Amino acid sequence: EVQLVESGGDLVQPGGSLRLSCAASGFTVSSNYMNWVRQAPGKGLEWLSVTHSGGTTYYADSVKGRFTISRDNSKNTLYLQMNSLRAEDTAVYYCASGRERYTRLDYWGQGTLVTVSS
Amino acid sequence: QSALTQPASVSGSPGQSITISCTGTSSDIGGYNYVSWYQQHPGKAPKLMIFDVSNRPSGVSNRFSSSKSGNTASLTISGLQPEDEADYYCSSYTTSSLVVFGGGTKLTVL
Repeated sequence: EVQLVESGGDLVQPGGSLRLSCAASGFTVSSNYMNWVRQAPGKGLEWLSVTHSGGTTYYADSVKGRFTISRDNSKNTLYLQMNSLRAEDTAVYYCASGRERYTRLDYWGQGTLVTVSS
Repeated sequence: QSALTQPASVSGSPGQSITISCTGTSSDIGGYNYVSWYQQHPGKAPKLMIFDVSNRPSGVSNRFSSSKSGNTASLTISGLQPEDEADYYCSSYTTSSLVVFGGGTKLTVL
């Protein structure tokens, strides 16, 4: 059974950093397109980033230069390092995987809440 | 990149059909056949309903269908059922190799 489990969400002050994790089971992150998508409270979905086995990574303009996506194939885990956090980064962060392409997100985790506030 | 445009809400009665539009530009919807639709119930993770404009993943009801014309994609749900009440989001690949979502549409089954 495919499962994605996010962790690492927390309350953090503006300007602070946080690292989110997404542990995968039932498939290998190295052979899938692994994404981060967020949803601010009461708002819509926002795609943030993708990484694939070839090393290709892409970022939305809203997080480029502040967030870094990476994966540890030995742990079958995806990460999102978030720096210079702002209040507008407050959201539930989902990891999602696509087998064939990152425009087709087949599996999603349950999300982890990040709150940026002083 | 700007979000795709969806109506904030639509509604329909059980058994009826509804259509949700998703409007973009030639740099996203109009330029590629990589439109997806997701369903999200309150407090739950999104679920893929349609990919590559009109394809349904295994297990998704054939009451859900989608198409694209120019810069606009449309999701149609036929034979509305109470469990279809949810938020629906479209998404598309863009010329910048990114993905953009629509603002979401709340479907109410009356």
